Amino acid sequence: SFELTQPLSVSVAPGQTARIPCGGDNIGTKIVHWCQQKPGQAPVVVIYRDSSRPSGIPERFSGSNSGNTATLTISRAQAGDEADYYCHVWVSNTVIFGGGTKLTVL
Amino acid sequence: QVQLQESGPGLVKPSQTLSLTCTVSGGSISSGDYYWSWIRQPPGKGLEWIGCISHTGNSYYNPSLKSRITISLDTSKNRISLKLTSVTAADTAVYYCAALDYGDFLFDYWGQGTLLTVSS
Repeated sequence: SFELTQPLSVSVAPGQTARIPCGGDNIGTKIVHWCQQKPGQAPVVVIYRDSSRPSGIPERFSGSNSGNTATLTISRAQAGDEADYYCHVWVSNTVIFGGGTKLTVL
Repeated sequence: QVQLQESGPGLVKPSQTLSLTCTVSGGSISSGDYYWSWIRQPPGKGLEWIGCISHTGNSYYNPSLKSRITISLDTSKNRISLKLTSVTAADTAVYYCAALDYGDFLFDYWGQGTLLTVSS
């Protein structure tokens, strides 16, 4: 079965760039979405269709997808970006979530 | 703007059947725009997709849960239901309903979630 692999945690200094990978077999051939979840809240979409950004999401958030890795990039990281981030895809009539990455801004 | 609101018993005993409801407002579950989905999140853990149902009643389930799940529509009340049989402590989680876009398979809308605890 298809699996998505994310690191458990990523740390970034304020103002620097954070990159969160999402690995999967030939994931570059699939459509990847990213959501952000803060404690006690429901997830919110930050990137859809690999690299598109919903209205209201800062331009600092971007995405890419190629080969075996999709990547969420957060530029000029801020304290308010601290959250869990999940990638997900639709494969064989099922939604597959990555395990999630906790982003720490310190 | 579609809004989703989950409701459930809060506490269920082991081996019983869990029943949750998601009431949709601001849109019709018969519209054909979304797969109506359930996702859960055990305390301190990641998101797990449970399954979804289309406006025509076609359903798709997580293979690991398929034998215990039923997702159904109640178009007269504009709501979606989830039944999970033979629950154990491992089923303790926040349960979310969400609208999964038909074309991109993106979760456009989420409910706030409801905590279900399995305990005797």
